[in-house]
Amino acid sequence: AQSVTQLDSQVPVFEEAPVELRCNYSSSVSVYLFWYVQYPNQGLQLLLKYLSGSTLVKGINGFEAEFNKSQTSFHLRKPSVHISDTAEYFCAVRLPQGGSEKLVFGKGTKLTVNP
Amino acid sequence: DTGVSQNPRHKITKRGQNVTFRCDPISEHNRLYWYRQTLGQGPEFLTYFQNEAQLEKSRLLSDRFSAERPKGSFSTLEIQRTEQGDSAMYLCASSAPTGGGEKLFFGSGTQLSVL
Repeated sequence: AQSVTQLDSQVPVFEEAPVELRCNYSSSVSVYLFWYVQYPNQGLQLLLKYLSGSTLVKGINGFEAEFNKSQTSFHLRKPSVHISDTAEYFCAVRLPQGGSEKLVFGKGTKLTVNP
Repeated sequence: DTGVSQNPRHKITKRGQNVTFRCDPISEHNRLYWYRQTLGQGPEFLTYFQNEAQLEKSRLLSDRFSAERPKGSFSTLEIQRTEQGDSAMYLCASSAPTGGGEKLFFGSGTQLSVL
């Protein structure tokens, strides 16, 4: 079975500062990795995904994440955050195509960007 | 593309009553998913449909829960004999036929409160 640990439940930062949201996963087989974002009163939307290939993936809104197989991590980064990045961020894993369709989510990290 | 629509947005019910939620996916999406999210937790997978076929069900989905997608378009999730532990946000998501379930589009959810 797969599991996801998001190490920080809340991350406060100042506007224009860099941010890293940490995600570690556990799986005995290869997995696909995702970051979803949930803005207040909105549905979750996909930020970025890692399926295979280059370990550095770029997503929407200037976010990027790096897949590290040896450390089983998929940390999300942004070099300079805006007030509008305030949201809850969820890391998730699933088996590759042909396996279960189930996405396993972490508990989420609330990012608060202060002026 | 009007997005994934869920109704109602909020539902308050008394313990022991039955409730039904509806999800209208994005029109060309053949894959549909139900998740449940409680406070402080990430979404938990409940079930998955490809067209009208229910292909995957979580063990979380007790006998009191049933989901249907009769014509491969909208879906309903029914909870019979509700319990206080059923209080949660119920999320629906859909994805396109190509690319598997690699990008899910989520609705805003139905918040269920069982008194």
